[in-house]
Amino acid sequence: GAVVSQHPSRVICKSGTSVKIECRSLDFQATTMFWYRQFPKQSLMLMATSNEGSKATYEQGVEKDKFLINHASLTLSTLTVTSAHPEDSSFYICSARDERTKETQYFGPGTRLLVL
Amino acid sequence: EDQVTQSPEALRLQEGESSSLNCSYTVSGLRGLFWYRQDPGKGPEFLFTLYSAGEEKEKERLKATLTKKESFLHITAPKPEDSATYLCAVQALGDYKLSFGAGTTVTVRA
Repeated sequence: GAVVSQHPSRVICKSGTSVKIECRSLDFQATTMFWYRQFPKQSLMLMATSNEGSKATYEQGVEKDKFLINHASLTLSTLTVTSAHPEDSSFYICSARDERTKETQYFGPGTRLLVL
Repeated sequence: EDQVTQSPEALRLQEGESSSLNCSYTVSGLRGLFWYRQDPGKGPEFLFTLYSAGEEKEKERLKATLTKKESFLHITAPKPEDSATYLCAVQALGDYKLSFGAGTTVTVRA
């Protein structure tokens, strides 16, 4: 149990385009999901907390108009990187909070974004 | 602000050579301390959650312990497949966010 999927696993896009990443909890419902970014050789940095049916909460320094988050159902959250630029190239990872197991967060496999 | 410091940054072990990883933390009130394993190019894989000082949990060759200031991840008789980056994270009371340490990259040579 407690499986989280992400799609796509890898995406290459041109500068200025928008990219949508999906995060799904496959075998449990998640009222809260989280989006992280990880640069090479660095740890995970929380970008935002995604709450089902309400607005996401963004960490300091993260532009909410650039990183659009939608959590429309209990099993799906999406992150859209708008007008992507090369500096947005990174490894984006989502996690979902499993209320059944004392708030443990389970992570997706990650999405590698490369902006040319 | 919650702080998590992991040491060492990197650890190279011979197969069968047991060792420990350290995670020191500062948090206003601890809800839980989490250990994850991350392989290159993949998302973190959940290992353990510890909630109170004195608690211990085991899984195969891994054992996690917790005090009021730090946690240890002991690797007993490691195998090459235990090579990975081990991440420690804390969750504060009243919050669901995780604050991660920088990780310890473990390499086990056959």
